[in-house]
Amino acid sequence: DAGVTQSPTHLIKTRGQQVTLRCSPKSGHDTVSWYQQALGQGPQFIFQYYEEEERQRGNFPDRFSGHQFPNYSSELNVNALLLGDSALYLCASSWGGGVQSNQPQHFGDGTRLSIL
Amino acid sequence: KQEVTQIPAALSVPEGENLVLNCSFTDSAIYNLQWFRQDPGKGLTSLLLIQSSQREQTSGRLNASLDKSSGRSTLYIAASQPGDSATYLCAPDTGANSKLTFGKGITLSVRP
Repeated sequence: DAGVTQSPTHLIKTRGQQVTLRCSPKSGHDTVSWYQQALGQGPQFIFQYYEEEERQRGNFPDRFSGHQFPNYSSELNVNALLLGDSALYLCASSWGGGVQSNQPQHFGDGTRLSIL
Repeated sequence: KQEVTQIPAALSVPEGENLVLNCSFTDSAIYNLQWFRQDPGKGLTSLLLIQSSQREQTSGRLNASLDKSSGRSTLYIAASQPGDSATYLCAPDTGANSKLTFGKGITLSVRP
């Protein structure tokens, strides 16, 4: 049973460029959340997708956008990259978006994004 | 706005010690709280989830407790081993299957 998979594992971009990160949820999960983890910090919630719609959003600018596909996989897009966007981007999946399910969220190994 | 504090930031103990990691949060209206482990450069591994109606949850050498009214949770690790060395993060969930709020974590080093 595959867990949450993210691609690519590492990425180097320059300021002003755009990037797309990908996530496949754990089998049976329908809800995908994205988090940004800067070095030495805890993860910060970016947004959550359920039924192909953004359900909740954290305190991140519109440069951060996402998408969820019918097979529940998801993409995170970041435009006009800044040096401060350098971080580990984590994807988490769970089941039962919109319902109090008390199911644990499962995380992937993340994509390490470095901005030069 | 939920805020999570984990103190101390780092902890070093000899192998075999029993230890307690503390987590405090400001908004007690939570649905559940998860404890995670993170190895360097890796993602998060879920260790335990305690529902708001529960007081304790156990898995092997790990025991997590929750006192929702006082905004506190603890993770107890029995008979620590060098393989337990990692960063431990707690994350309360204040919505139905919604976003988790994380502390900065406690970096644990268990010396052989």
